[in-house]
Amino acid sequence: GAVVSQHPSWVICKSGTSVKIECRSLDFQATTMFWYRQFPKQSLMLMATSNEGSKATYEQGVEKDKFLINHASLTLSTLTVTSAHPEDSSFYICSARVTSGRASTIAGFADTQYFGPGTRLTVL
Amino acid sequence: AQSVTQLGSHVSVSEGALVLLRCNYSSSVPPYLFWYVQYPNQGLQLLLKYTSAATLVKGINGFEAEFKKSETSFHLTKPSAHMSDAAEYFCAVSVDGTSYGKLTFGQGTILTVHP
Repeated sequence: GAVVSQHPSWVICKSGTSVKIECRSLDFQATTMFWYRQFPKQSLMLMATSNEGSKATYEQGVEKDKFLINHASLTLSTLTVTSAHPEDSSFYICSARVTSGRASTIAGFADTQYFGPGTRLTVL
Repeated sequence: AQSVTQLGSHVSVSEGALVLLRCNYSSSVPPYLFWYVQYPNQGLQLLLKYTSAATLVKGINGFEAEFKKSETSFHLTKPSAHMSDAAEYFCAVSVDGTSYGKLTFGQGTILTVHP
């Protein structure tokens, strides 16, 4: 239980195009998901908190108009990188908090954050 | 503000040797602390978490960590390294005082295991 998937796992796009990344909780519901980015050989930096049914909360310095987040259901959050440029090339990782569903009944899973496998974005 | 510092960006051990990865934290509230492992081109896997229930926390794959408030430390250990332990390890602290909220990560420690 408590599996988070991301799609696509890697994507290459041209500068100026938009790219959508999906984050899904497979066997649980998540009212809150988080989006992180990780540059090569660096740590993860929180970009934003995605809340189901409401606007995302962005960390300081993250452009909300460039990184559009939509959390339309309890199992899906999307991150759209608009007008992507080479400096947006990074590893994007989402995480989801187990709030309900089968996984929430398993000891140790509830109220824990689980990470997706990441999406490698390369902008040419 | 909450933060963590991982001492040593690279640690190298022989197979079968003790693994010790260091993490010190700073927190204005009782902290929730985590250790994650990341294999190349993959996401993060939770190894263990400290939520104030017990100072010695046992995790998966034989890892454990001890919370020491007096030293503001949460070092990760494993008695005997295995080749499959080679990966990057991240220490993290909860920013908002919950066990499931926003996290601040350390810079990571790359563990190399020699045969």
